[in-house]
Amino acid sequence: AQSVAQPEDQVNVAEGNPLTVKCTYSVSGNPYLFWYVQYPNRGLQFLLKYITGDNLVKGSYGFEAEFNKSQTSFHLKKPSALVSDSALYFCAVRDMPTGANNLFFGTGTRLTVIP
Amino acid sequence: DAGITQSPRYKITETGRQVTLMCHQTWSHSYMFWYRQDLGHGLRLIYYSAAADITDKGEVPDGYVVSRSKTENFPLTLESATRSQTSVYFCASSELGALPGANVLTFGAGSRLTVL
Repeated sequence: AQSVAQPEDQVNVAEGNPLTVKCTYSVSGNPYLFWYVQYPNRGLQFLLKYITGDNLVKGSYGFEAEFNKSQTSFHLKKPSALVSDSALYFCAVRDMPTGANNLFFGTGTRLTVIP
Repeated sequence: DAGITQSPRYKITETGRQVTLMCHQTWSHSYMFWYRQDLGHGLRLIYYSAAADITDKGEVPDGYVVSRSKTENFPLTLESATRSQTSVYFCASSELGALPGANVLTFGAGSRLTVL
C-alpha cells in the first residue's frame, strides 16, 4: 500500500529565509512523487515532480525538492521565502507501475511566510 | 474556455437529498478523478475513470455514484446525502501514463458542499 506523511501541519518562516516542507512516503515499488500547492478557495496547482533521474528536482516559482531514497523522503525547499508563498502544500505519491493513474496525497502543510 | 470546470461552486442541501456535482474538461484527458478534501485527511480519492464508460472505486467510494458517458464529463452523484459528506470536492484530470505530461493532475476550483 502507498502512503504519504507530512509531519508538520504548520510551518512558519520569515520572509527571505529558506523554507523546507517535509514529506516522507511509503510504496512497494519505485515512486512517482509530486508537490502541489493550494491557495485559498482554489484548486491544487502542480509545482514539481520526481519520476526518475536527478534527485534534485526544480519546479515552479523557485521551488525545488530533493528525492532521498534511503530516507524515503521528498522535502520541498526554497532558498528565499516570499510572503506570496503562503499557502497549503500537499505531497503526493503514485506507486508505479500500477494500473491506475491516481495519486495518494498527504494531509497537507500550511506554510506561513511572515513579513 | 479551456480547462476544467466544476459546478456548482457552492451547494447547501439537506440530509437524504440527491446532489450531483458536475465536472467538465476541455483537454480530452483520458483520466478523470474525484477527490474530497477534509481537514486532517488531506485529499482522498472517491472515484476515478480511465476513459469513457470505465470507472473504478477509490479510497472512499461509499455513498457516491459516478458515470462517464463522454470523455469530457465526469459527474459525481450523492444519491442520499449525509452530513458526513459535507466537504470540498475536487475534480481533476490527467493524460495517459506514457505521455510527457502524464501523472500531473490538473484540478478544478472545487465544489463546497454543505449537508444540513
